[in-house]
Amino acid sequence: AQRVTQPEKLLSVFKGAPVELKCNYSYSGSPELFWYVQYSRQRLQLLLRHISRESIKGFTADLNKGETSFHLKKPFAQEEDSAMYYCALPYNQGGKLIFGQGTELSVKP
Amino acid sequence: EPEVTQTPSHQVTQMGQEVILRCVPISNHLYFYWYRQILGQKVEFLVSFYNNEISEKSEIFDDQFSVERPDGSNFTLKIRSTKLEDSAMYFCASRTAYEQYFGPGTRLTVT
Repeated sequence: AQRVTQPEKLLSVFKGAPVELKCNYSYSGSPELFWYVQYSRQRLQLLLRHISRESIKGFTADLNKGETSFHLKKPFAQEEDSAMYYCALPYNQGGKLIFGQGTELSVKP
Repeated sequence: EPEVTQTPSHQVTQMGQEVILRCVPISNHLYFYWYRQILGQKVEFLVSFYNNEISEKSEIFDDQFSVERPDGSNFTLKIRSTKLEDSAMYFCASRTAYEQYFGPGTRLTVT
């Protein structure tokens, strides 16, 4: 079955420290994966998708098919990065998103 | 930049009452979705809607739920007889080819 797992509920780091938010997936086929971010009291918004291979706000994510992972990384965390981060897998033609449980990132000064 | 809007932002209702949650998707989008998020849990897919009909629904979306696009702009989610366990944030989304754009959500509280 298609599944997305984010093992950490909360990740707390200091400003300037590297960040890695983990995401593992289960999918038969070639997946397309997204990271969504939700800042406090704001809507879910797309942060990045693997096919575009972009770097947004300093975040990158590489799809590792061998490890079935799509971890989100940033070399130097900023306080404004504090938010909820969701890994998501669009499934089938209709494109419904299967979300992970979410990881709350807290960046301390 | 166009956004998905949802009303109301917060709805309180008594168990057994009907509620209608409203969404205005982005105007040139063709796919529409409802998701919900119970407090402390993951965002869960409820239903997708394309070409004026449901294209997929989850196990959660039982006979108590229905969706409509009554006038070509609004997209509504109706819960016929609310239960305590329907208390959640309900998110509407609409989609381009690649990206789903989410509304700010409606917090539904069933007492």
